[in-house]
Amino acid sequence: SQQGEEDPQALSIQEGENATMNCSYKTSINNLQWYRQNSGRGLVHLILIRSNEREKHSGRLRVTLDTSKKSSSLLITASRAADTASYFCTFQGGSEKLVFGKGTKLTVNP
Amino acid sequence: EAEVAQSPRYKITEKSQAVAFWCDPISGHATLYWYRQILGQGPELLVQFQDESVVDDSQLPKDRFSAERLKGVDSTLKIQPAELGDSAMYLCAINPEGVDTQYFGPGTRLTVL
Repeated sequence: SQQGEEDPQALSIQEGENATMNCSYKTSINNLQWYRQNSGRGLVHLILIRSNEREKHSGRLRVTLDTSKKSSSLLITASRAADTASYFCTFQGGSEKLVFGKGTKLTVNP
Repeated sequence: EAEVAQSPRYKITEKSQAVAFWCDPISGHATLYWYRQILGQGPELLVQFQDESVVDDSQLPKDRFSAERLKGVDSTLKIQPAELGDSAMYLCAINPEGVDTQYFGPGTRLTVL
């Protein structure tokens, strides 16, 4: 299956803390992507990491990829209430099709 | 960044009625996707277009769902007749050429009563 599985399913933290979400997959990939979805809205692309990369940064986001373990993690540092959203990982292997898991629901309490 | 417009944003209908959703990739892009997202789940691909041609509709319930993209720009997704289980968010996304990411519209929230 090309579906990524996010862990945990839900995460609640205080503003200022770091949030870590994990994603596991089962197939070989060309790239892995993280998306964010605010409640009732469309998805927003956050970051893409290619299979030959191990770590990537974008602002307060840090993504790691371990192809040997078929896993990725998304770290959000110094979280803010506005980071409250669902986060999805997905990836591309042989086709451009994206398959989404259930996501991690992050709540950042002020 | 690519923009995708969708309308309506919200739709309430009764079961057995017909509904239609519209998607306009404002920047104009060759690849267009329709997804369905049930509450608490991730988006599920319904159909993928390359220009006006359907590339993948393997998950589209073809007995009641239809999608078209006649001029290879904007697209319409139709459900007839709607069933209670069709209540979901319907998302349109585009994939600019040479870019691996997808850009999503705000979605249409459908409620079937």
